Amino acid sequence: AIQLTQSPSSLSASVGDRVTITCRASQDISSALAWYQQKPGKPPNLLIFDASILESGVPSKFSGSGSGTDFTLTISSLQPEDFATYFCQQFNNYPTFGGGTKVEIK
Amino acid sequence: QVQLQGSGPGLVKPSETLSLTCSVSGYSISSGYFWGWIRQPPGKGLEWIASMHQGGSTYYNPSLKSRVTISLDTSRNQFSLKLTSVTAADTAVYYCARHGAVELKWFDPWGQGTRVTVSS
Repeated sequence: AIQLTQSPSSLSASVGDRVTITCRASQDISSALAWYQQKPGKPPNLLIFDASILESGVPSKFSGSGSGTDFTLTISSLQPEDFATYFCQQFNNYPTFGGGTKVEIK
Repeated sequence: QVQLQGSGPGLVKPSETLSLTCSVSGYSISSGYFWGWIRQPPGKGLEWIASMHQGGSTYYNPSLKSRVTISLDTSRNQFSLKLTSVTAADTAVYYCARHGAVELKWFDPWGQGTRVTVSS
């Protein structure tokens, strides 16, 4: 199975901060990566697919980059509604997810 | 707008079979796409369980394959999951989701989740 390692596992940030979350794959997955946002008690919500393509309706403050084994999700200016847990998911092989990054208010 | 609604018992006894159903509205599952199940144990991450295409292609997580069956009911526009011989480790929120048009890709949209506890 392809393992995805997210870092950090949690972070504290302030409104307006630029936040970057990384996801590292245990082997080359090309651009076969998606990012999700999950709020407590809710299902994950797709933000980005194919590593860098923004899902329709998702604000442009979210961006994704990377290919191969190293990927990043960036939130350009953190807003109160962005405090949540973020997961990456690869689909190069049968799907696996990263462990998640919890973004908390500083 | 595609919407998914999962349903099933909230409590299952150890060694029994967990059965869940996902009702789809806004899209006919016979028109295509893979349809899948993902679970999330309390306070933990996400684990893909299984996905099935209306054309019959079926994929299972190797770690669960021996205990899992996924099926589609196009007449009811539903798909189902059966997980046998459950233990406390199967306690989780179970999500259903649409999963790629031709290949296993990203999951979108998701159902609201069904919380399942395995306990006697």
